[in-house]
Formats: sequence, C-alpha cells, structure tokens
Amino acid sequence: KQEVTQIPAALSVPEGENLVLNCSFTDSAIYNLQWFRQDPGKGLTSLLLIQSSQREQTSGRLNASLDKSSGRSTLYIAASQPGDSATYLCAVIGAAGNKLTFGGGTRVLVKP
Amino acid sequence: DGGITQSPKYLFRKEGQNVTLSCEQNLNHDAMYWYRQDPGQGLRLIYYSQIVNDFQKGDIAEGYSVSREKKESFPLTVTSAQKNPTAFYLCASSPTGSQPQHFGDGTRLSIL
Repeated sequence: KQEVTQIPAALSVPEGENLVLNCSFTDSAIYNLQWFRQDPGKGLTSLLLIQSSQREQTSGRLNASLDKSSGRSTLYIAASQPGDSATYLCAVIGAAGNKLTFGGGTRVLVKP
Repeated sequence: DGGITQSPKYLFRKEGQNVTLSCEQNLNHDAMYWYRQDPGQGLRLIYYSQIVNDFQKGDIAEGYSVSREKKESFPLTVTSAQKNPTAFYLCASSPTGSQPQHFGDGTRLSIL
C-alpha cells in the first residue's frame, strides 16, 4: 500500500528566504505526483503536476523535482512572501492511474 | 464560471442522524471523489466514481454511502454508523481518473 510522508510538518521562515518542502513515497510505481496548496478552511489548489517520466516542473517561483527511483519529490519556492503562508500537500497517483494518495502536509508560515 | 460547488459550508449532525453533503460540478468531468480531512492531516479517500451509475470504495468507506445518478452530482451521506464523523469533507472531480483533480471549498461537519 502506498504511503506518502511530508517532513517537516511545520516550517517558519523570514520573508525572502527560499522554501524547501520534502515529500517521500514508498511505492515508486507512480503515474504522476501533484503538489497542492491549501489555505485555512479552504479546498485544495493544484500548483504543479509532474508525470512519472519527468524530472521537474516549474511555474513562476515554484519548482518541483521528482526522483522516482528514490521515492522523493521536493518543492522549492523562491524568495518567499507572506502570501505563501499555507499548507502544502503532495499526492501521488499509483500506476493504475485512478486514486490520489496524500501526504500529511507541511504548514508554512512566512514572517514579514 | 466552471467549478465545483459543495454545500452546505457548515453542517451539524445529531446522534443517530444521517446527513447528506452535496457536491455539484459543471466542468463536464467524468470522475468525482470524496475525501475526509482531519485536523493537521492529509486527505483520505472515502469513495470515488469514474462514470455515472458506478462508484468504488476508497480507503475509509465504512459509515458512508454515495450515489452517482447524474454526471454533475455526487452526494455523500454520512450515516449513523460513522461513529466519528467530525471532519472537513472535500469533493473533487477530474476529466478522467488519471488527470489533475479540481477541488471544492469543502464542508465542515460537526456533532451536536
């Protein structure tokens, strides 16, 4: 059974610092991996999706890497801003391609 | 605008009562999902449906029921058999099972 882990559970950084969020998964037979953002009391917003054949995806200040063989993905957020404060979740779709398995999330606070 | 609408935003349940959470989408997506999120944790899959009139159990289906009579609607009933229903419930949809999921804003269910 696929298990997804995110460490640390919470992170606090000063504004302007780069953020590094980690995600690990136990079964490397994945179809793709997604990073989401969740604001308090809200649904999820998709940030980046990496197909299993890709090594990374970039969108603005966000960059996500994928190392399928070691079961790891990292989300980098450059030059953090207070508006980046949120919970970030990673999720993988297994090789069958029909179910997302989520990590527990990393709660980020960017201090002005 | 296209999107996913969940209602109500807040819901209270009395002991022994069944309650139904609504999820409607106008994105013309085939697949729909229900997740449960407990405080400080990731999402766990309750039920999913890849096509009208068909649905499958997720990881934590006990105490819940669903129907998929129309493509745009996927209501979730929390039955009295669910002994710990207090949680944040999120509905999602995707064009097919392997494509990115779009999320609603959630329903927070509490026990009176």
